Amino acid sequence: KQEVTQIPAALSVPEGENLVLNCSFTDSAIYNLQWFRQDPGKGLTSLLLIQSSQREQTSGRLNASLDKSSGRSTLYIAASQPGDSATYLCAVTGADNAGNMLTFGGGTRLMVKP
Amino acid sequence: EAQVTQNPRYLITVTGKKLTVTCSQNMNHEYMSWYRQDPGLGLRQIYYSMNVEVTDKGDVPEGYKVSRKEKRNFPLILESPSPNQTSLYFCASSSGTGAEAFFGQGTRLTVV
Repeated sequence: KQEVTQIPAALSVPEGENLVLNCSFTDSAIYNLQWFRQDPGKGLTSLLLIQSSQREQTSGRLNASLDKSSGRSTLYIAASQPGDSATYLCAVTGADNAGNMLTFGGGTRLMVKP
Repeated sequence: EAQVTQNPRYLITVTGKKLTVTCSQNMNHEYMSWYRQDPGLGLRQIYYSMNVEVTDKGDVPEGYKVSRKEKRNFPLILESPSPNQTSLYFCASSSGTGAEAFFGQGTRLTVV
């Protein structure tokens, strides 16, 4: 059964730092990997989607990479801002499951201090 | 604006009183699903639907029902809610297998 792990569970950084969030998964047979942001009391906002054939995706200050063979993804946030404070979740869609089920990691709670 | 809309956002109910959480998407997506989020357990899929009148169980379907009579709507039904169904619920939709998933704002349910 697919398992997704995110390290670290929590991270506190000063404003302006570049940072990396890690995600690992046990089964490399995936359709894609998606990074989400979750703010307290709010829903999940999709940040980046990487298809299994891709190595990375970029959106603004965010860059996500995927190494499917080793079961790893990283989310790089450049020049962090207090507004980036949130919980970041990665999720994979297994290649053998119906219904497009996402298997989520436990999340990294990020705090960016002014 | 493309969105997934859930109602209500917050709900407190008593054990055994039937309730329905609605979900609607305006993106003409084929796939819809329900997840629950619990501390220490993360997000887990309850039910999913690949099209109208096509539904199937996810990882944690016990105590829940769904229906998909129209493409845009996918309500979650708790026929006899119990306290262990207290959770944060999310509805999601996507256009197909491996496509980007879009989530609703969540429904915080408390069963006393």
